[in-house]
Amino acid sequence: QQQVKQSPQSLIVQKGGISIINCAYENTAFDYFPWYQQFPGKGPALLIAIRPDVSEKKEGRFTISFNKSAKQFSLHIMDSQPGDSATYFCAARGISETSGSRLTFGEGTQLTVNP
Amino acid sequence: NAGVTQTPKFRVLKTGQSMTLLCAQDMNHEYMYWYRQDPGMGLRLIHYSVGEGTTAKGEVPDGYNVSRLKKQNFLLGLESAAPSQTSVYFCASSSVAGPAFFGQGTRLTVV
Repeated sequence: QQQVKQSPQSLIVQKGGISIINCAYENTAFDYFPWYQQFPGKGPALLIAIRPDVSEKKEGRFTISFNKSAKQFSLHIMDSQPGDSATYFCAARGISETSGSRLTFGEGTQLTVNP
Repeated sequence: NAGVTQTPKFRVLKTGQSMTLLCAQDMNHEYMYWYRQDPGMGLRLIHYSVGEGTTAKGEVPDGYNVSRLKKQNFLLGLESAAPSQTSVYFCASSSVAGPAFFGQGTRLTVV
């Protein structure tokens, strides 16, 4: 059962444009929502993260928008650059006393920014 | 500052062979995880550990075993490799409430 659904699967944007990736989750017990960026041949690296008590978080050109009632969150990349071309994963974390902290990932979005 | 280190980086196995993937972290993290990454399926949790000497099953544990004898190390074993286990394997670690940090991955091909 996929608890975090991510779209689109692939995205092509022109340099300077806005890239938008969306995620939806089902488990209301999730308490932390990170985005990871992965370049070919590398491991995923934390890009930006948000907790459900805020609706938006911005770091440079990257912004997370969070809608708790709709159980959706999205990543916006402003002024997209060719160096942003990578695969992006959204994730959600659930914590329990018995199973600890676990991240559930979306399927990933392959972003290509054309020069 | 090495972070999370995985060995080996590449491996080719024949069907039925066994192998162990090693993950080491130097951040004193309590939690460690093994994921596999397949095209179009994101990262799926195989097994994880919430502390030294403890392990638990994730989403796709069948065909794998793990051990965490030392806090800094998390081993993933394949007892009898199958072509369906061809994948890229990632280890990660985290503190109790912090973000997860990933290794560089191990690309495994089972022929």
